[in-house]
Amino acid sequence: RKEVEQDPGPFNVPEGATVAFNCTYSNSASQSFFWYRQDCRKEPKLLMSVYSSGNEDGRFTAQLNRASQYISLLIRDSKLSDSATYLCVVILGGSYIPTFGRGTSLIVHP
Amino acid sequence: NAGVTQTPKFRILKIGQSMTLQCAQDMNHNYMYWYRQDPGMGLKLIYYSVGAGITDKGEVPNGYNVSRSTTEDFPLRLELAAPSQTSVYFCASSYSGGLAPSQETQYFGPGTRLLVL
Repeated sequence: RKEVEQDPGPFNVPEGATVAFNCTYSNSASQSFFWYRQDCRKEPKLLMSVYSSGNEDGRFTAQLNRASQYISLLIRDSKLSDSATYLCVVILGGSYIPTFGRGTSLIVHP
Repeated sequence: NAGVTQTPKFRILKIGQSMTLQCAQDMNHNYMYWYRQDPGMGLKLIYYSVGAGITDKGEVPNGYNVSRSTTEDFPLRLELAAPSQTSVYFCASSYSGGLAPSQETQYFGPGTRLLVL
């Protein structure tokens, strides 16, 4: 089983739709979790950290489920500009070395 | 702050040639990383460094070497380039050891696209 798994997609949704991605991780000692966004032919950039209590930033909501070992990203009211690949990142406790998922591709169409 | 800078942006190498990919950061981050990303794939860690003078292998270190003589710079050396090293290379840095997860945010450079023919 891969350490960090994501459905590669693509998720093809109309503007205004709500879309959710999940990311599963295999190591229960994982401590820190992030969602990064990567535009085509660009570097990854932090979208949001994922906290145990869940967190929201505008149209984006991230949640952590430690019992089932997954994190999720919910995007409400999708915009054309949300089209990108969303990377899940997990860091083991004490290691500070991140493990990246393969990414989930989102395409928002008019 | 310039953040993380990488040079060159693009390079074509012949099989067997060598080159150094440059990476520098001006955020006084202790951790630095080199990743490669093949088309449609995730990032794979090549090498990382926890501070000046300290480096360690990641998932795919074969064919590469690194050094970290200063906090700011973390060059990646390719010896005897092979077609399998055709990829996009990203350098990243972070301040690791902080108390909050947000302090472990990685900042990436714009990448170097390498083609080995």
